[in-house]
Amino acid sequence: GENVEQHPSTLSVQEGDSAVIKCTYSDSASNYFPWYKQELGKRPQLIIDIRSNVGEKKDQRIAVTLNKTAKHFSLHITETQPEDSAVYFCAASVRGNNRLAFGKGNQVVVIP
Amino acid sequence: GAGVSQSPRYKVAKRGQDVALRCDPISGHVSLFWYQQALGQGPEFLTYFQNEAQLDKSGLPSDRFFAERPEGSVSTLKIQRTQQEDSAVYLCASSFSTASTDTQYFGPGTRLTVL
Repeated sequence: GENVEQHPSTLSVQEGDSAVIKCTYSDSASNYFPWYKQELGKRPQLIIDIRSNVGEKKDQRIAVTLNKTAKHFSLHITETQPEDSAVYFCAASVRGNNRLAFGKGNQVVVIP
Repeated sequence: GAGVSQSPRYKVAKRGQDVALRCDPISGHVSLFWYQQALGQGPEFLTYFQNEAQLDKSGLPSDRFFAERPEGSVSTLKIQRTQQEDSAVYLCASSFSTASTDTQYFGPGTRLTVL
């Protein structure tokens, strides 16, 4: 089945700097790659997603890039703010099934 | 509009008790998913419904776990004879259609603690 891995597990950045989280996936048939933000005790919230027919997508301070050949995708957060502190999960769609396979998550800490 | 809701938000059960967790998806959403999230981990798939049909239950960890969505809207996840390893947050998600590229919207989860 699909295997999704995230690196690094914890990331600390100074406020205003950029944060980058990378994910790899194993199934070349995956065609949908969402990123979710989860604050402590809260539900996962979709922040951005990308489909396999594009290589990059941007929404204000957040961008996602996809490299299908290498089977990896990355989340980029620019001009980080304290409210960006959370756990971020990447996910990939699973072949023949509508479910998502999630990575283990990255704890991002933005230091004021 | 209203998002996905789940109840109860917290459930404490003694080992061996049965529990029922409810999910109210976004109105009109065809697809409904249940995920289990252990502490410090990402959500793990349990089961998937398309309307009232349970199309995939490959993620259910044992036959103690049962899910239903009889009218294609509200869903219930039932766990019989709960064990300590069942302690986790149970998340429900729904999406508008059956497309694999559709956004999944999550509920707040039910935190189950088995003593």
